[in-house]
Amino acid sequence: DAGITQSPRHKVTETGTPVTLRCHQTENHRYMYWYRQDPGHGLRLIHYSYGVKDTDKGEVSDGYSVSRSKTEDFLLTLESATSSQTSVYFCAISESQGPNEQFFGPGTRLTVL
Amino acid sequence: EDQVTQSPEALRLQEGESSSLNCSYTVSGLRGLFWYRQDPGKGPEFLFTLYSAGEEKEKERLKATLTKKESFLHITAPKPEDSATYLCAVQERSGGYQKVTFGTGTKLQVIP
Repeated sequence: DAGITQSPRHKVTETGTPVTLRCHQTENHRYMYWYRQDPGHGLRLIHYSYGVKDTDKGEVSDGYSVSRSKTEDFLLTLESATSSQTSVYFCAISESQGPNEQFFGPGTRLTVL
Repeated sequence: EDQVTQSPEALRLQEGESSSLNCSYTVSGLRGLFWYRQDPGKGPEFLFTLYSAGEEKEKERLKATLTKKESFLHITAPKPEDSATYLCAVQERSGGYQKVTFGTGTKLQVIP
């Protein structure tokens, strides 16, 4: 998985609780991304980062925030989890913005009850 | 509005039976088209990047081609280990960010 880890790999939580997912890379790539994958939808971008402390919104950013204090770590926070945020979350990295392939982590399966 | 459409949604092949997967796209200013393979419970694995119409890339039993409106992933004499979901993605310039849009994938099953 190109030196990308995600934690936790599985999580079950209750509606209204905050949740933080972590992505860690050892490739020193500048760009990092958070996607969600749901049946019937392609991978959809939540947020991305183009450098330390530099982040921007993707197409489905409502209810999510991110932070990047170090090159290797990109955190995704669900401020108050809802059942609609039950999904599989993938982190990805790329050397440049493009056109450039992205390399994906193993994913985190999140269930919000 | 779907910008990337993959077909078929699912495909079942006998081992050795060659076929093609389709990815049609409608974007302005294509920067690149990507193919990924995704196994159950895992993240997508990068296969190919195509940049311009007429370009072709090959890897083992897989060959990707690109026209101005679509891309094909040709699978020659597939084996059971080729069973996976194949994702297509296109990258276009959208403001300051080069947007990547993924299709929903084709689930391929190769029967021994």
